[in-house]
Amino acid sequence: RKEVEQDPGPFNVPEGATVAFNCTYSNSASQSFFWYRQDCRKEPKLLMSVYSSGNEDGRFTAQLNRASQYISLLIRDSKLSDSATYLCVVREIKAAGNKLTFGGGTRVLVKP
Amino acid sequence: EAQVTQNPRYLITVTGKKLTVTCSQNMNHEYMSWYRQDPGLGLRQIYYSMNVEVTDKGDVPEGYKVSRKEKRNFPLILESPSPNQTSLYFCASSSMSGPYEQYFGPGTRLTVT
Repeated sequence: RKEVEQDPGPFNVPEGATVAFNCTYSNSASQSFFWYRQDCRKEPKLLMSVYSSGNEDGRFTAQLNRASQYISLLIRDSKLSDSATYLCVVREIKAAGNKLTFGGGTRVLVKP
Repeated sequence: EAQVTQNPRYLITVTGKKLTVTCSQNMNHEYMSWYRQDPGLGLRQIYYSMNVEVTDKGDVPEGYKVSRKEKRNFPLILESPSPNQTSLYFCASSSMSGPYEQYFGPGTRLTVT
């Protein structure tokens, strides 16, 4: 089983609709969680950190479910510019320091 | 402007010809890392460094070397590139004391023929 797993998609979303997708992680001791956005062939950029109580940033809402070991991202009122690949990132503390593990990404295509 | 730079951005080379991809950051970050990204396999860590002269293997270190002689620079060295190292490479840096956001360079697209 992969350490961090995502549905690769693509999720085809009509403009203005809501889309949500999850990311599961295998290490229950994982410390921090993040969502990154990556546009085609460009570098990943931080979208938002995921806090235990859940958090919202504009149209984006992230949730953490430690019991079931997954995080989720919900995008409301989808825009064409939301089309991208969303990467889930999990931080663990190892003896050698922090280790960040990336999921394979979920591709979202917002269509008019 | 806070940034991570990589050079070259694009490189086509032949099997066995040694090459170096440079990475530099201006944020005084302790942590730097190299990833490769391949279709269907996502981002995989090659090597990372927690500070000057401290480096360690990631998940796919075979065929690569790194060095960290200065805090700002973290070059990736391919001593004898092979076609299976054709990939998109990203360098990233972050603070060790939080927040743990990784800042990525723009990527280097390498083709080995």
